[in-house]
Amino acid sequence: GAVVSQHPSWVICKSGTSVKIECRSLDFQATTMFWYRQFPKQSLMLMATSNEGSKATYEQGVEKDKFLINHASLTLSTLTVTSAHPEDSSFYICSARDLGRPNTGELFFGEGSRLTVL
Amino acid sequence: QQQVKQSPQSLIVQKGGISIINCAYENTAFDYFPWYQQFPGKGPALLIAIRPDVSEKKEGRFTISFNKSAKQFSLHIMDSQPGDSATYFCAATNTGGFKTIFGAGTRLFVKA
Repeated sequence: GAVVSQHPSWVICKSGTSVKIECRSLDFQATTMFWYRQFPKQSLMLMATSNEGSKATYEQGVEKDKFLINHASLTLSTLTVTSAHPEDSSFYICSARDLGRPNTGELFFGEGSRLTVL
Repeated sequence: QQQVKQSPQSLIVQKGGISIINCAYENTAFDYFPWYQQFPGKGPALLIAIRPDVSEKKEGRFTISFNKSAKQFSLHIMDSQPGDSATYFCAATNTGGFKTIFGAGTRLFVKA
């Protein structure tokens, strides 16, 4: 149980286009999902906290107009990288907490999405 | 105060040896300390976790040692295998506040 599916696993796009990444909790409900960015050989950098039915909370230095987050249901959050540029190329990972286990602290991670902007 | 410091940055261990990774935190509000394992091109996966009311937790070859007074915790991998070669992240979270803080990661390579 507790599977998080992330799609696409990799995407290549041209500079200036927008890319949407989906994060789904397959067998549990998640009121809160998290989006991270990871550069090669580095740790996970929290970008934003996605809350079902409300606006996402962005970390300092993350452009909310650049990285649009929508959490429309208890099982789906999306990250849209708008007007992507080569410097946006990175590995994006989502994670979720199980609504049924709110106090465990455990995070379930997606497989990640590799974005390459040409 | 929100940092989690992890060391070493990289580690090479002979097959069958013990791998030890250390982490230290500052915020005493943290109440859940997980370790995640990440293979290249994949998302992290929970390996083992501990709460501060326990000093040690063992699951198979993996053991967490926790020192609350020193605000330190470590991961021990016994009988290390080449398949354990991955990046390991310690983390700390306040389950009430939800945010999880990750260490910088340790790249483990187990030589056959």
